[in-house]
Order: sequence, then structure tokens, then C-alpha cells
Amino acid sequence: AQKVTQAQTEISVVEKEDVTLDCVYETRDTTYYLFWYKQPPSGELVFLIRRNSFDEQNEISGRYSWNFQKSTSSFNFTITASQVVDSAVYFCALSEGSNDYKLSFGAGTTVTVRA
Amino acid sequence: AAGVIQSPRHLIKEKRETATLKCYPIPRHDTVYWYQQGPGQDPQFLISFYEKMQSDKGSIPDRFSAQQFSDYHSELNMSSLELGDSALYFCASSLRPLGGGASNQPQHFGDGTRLSIL
Repeated sequence: AQKVTQAQTEISVVEKEDVTLDCVYETRDTTYYLFWYKQPPSGELVFLIRRNSFDEQNEISGRYSWNFQKSTSSFNFTITASQVVDSAVYFCALSEGSNDYKLSFGAGTTVTVRA
Repeated sequence: AAGVIQSPRHLIKEKRETATLKCYPIPRHDTVYWYQQGPGQDPQFLISFYEKMQSDKGSIPDRFSAQQFSDYHSELNMSSLELGDSALYFCASSLRPLGGGASNQPQHFGDGTRLSIL
């Protein structure tokens, strides 16, 4: 069963628009970690943000922000004032102690930012 | 800062050949993970090592084997290659706290090895 669901397959926006990526996860662990990774066309996986299950405080880091809600098992990610360089595939991932902390990825959301 | 190093970056092989992918984790990281990402797919976990011992195994074919050496680098050995093995192979490393408890460190990925089977 898919542990991480990213319902949006593709999102296309015009530069400077905000983009919010949805992520819903499933776990029975009480301690777990959630991540967002970015994969640009060049192929590498770039770590963006991490949240642990005990900290629901939502923060902003530059143009990135996230909304972690345990009650709905969601970990949404927002890019504010998008730029063309933000065009990439974005993966939400879950790491569980009961699963040796390996990452379970969602299917990814392709974000295209048009100039 | 030093990152995860993977080699080679690109590899072209023919069916039934063998391939060896190498991964050098971030210094002092004790855990290595291998992932396979097929075209248009999300990365899938293959195998992991903690302190040179296999710690978990995912959907890794029997034709594949891996190990972590005393210097913590890891190698993924692939034999009897098939067309379906064409993929991007990622290695990631992290550091676990003493006692092997919950890690608050993210996995940092290498740039990947793009394997093409002809």
C-alpha cells in the first residue's frame, strides 16, 4: 500500500504565483519524519525540508513554507513567488523507525513555472 | 561541505552483463541506503547498511547484491542485467545517534548513477 500520496501529478503556474503541493501520508508509528525533496531536470535529489512527528510547528524558510497537520496526516509544501528555477519534480517522503528509516516516496508532483 | 559521491555518473551496459555502482557517503555517516528510480517513477528502496551490516532489504532482485566496506563506502553489484534495470540509482547516507535510535538527520543523496541497458 502506498504510504505517501501526492494527488497532484502536474502543476503549471506563471512566475511569481504561489504553488502549494499536497501530501498525505499513512503510518502507525508514533515517531516518524516527513521530507520534501526536489528533483530538477538534471536528475539529482535535493533535500528541502524535514519535519518530525513531534513538532507540528509550521515554519517558513525563505520562499518555502510547510503546513504539517497530524490530525489529517498531511504535510503540504508551498513555494511563494515561484521562479522558473523552481521547475522540477517534488517528492514528499516518509521515514519510519519501524521501517529502518528508509524513505517511502510519493509519486511526485511535476511543477512547471512559466516566465 | 562534502556530499555523497557516486560513481560512475553514467553507465551503459548490454543485457546479461554485470555492473558495479559505488557510493561514498558523507564523512562520519554510518548508514547507507540504495534506491532505484525508473523513468517517470519515484525512487524505490533497494537495500540499506548500518555500520557495515545490512539493516534492511526492499524490492531488490536476487541478481543484485550490495555491501558496505570498512571505510563505509558501499557497492551495488548487478548481474545478468535486463532491459528493465535501466534506471537512475541513488545512494543516500545519514548518521544515526548513538544506540541506533531515531535519526533526526535527513538522508542526503548523491547525484545518482544513470544505468542504461542496451
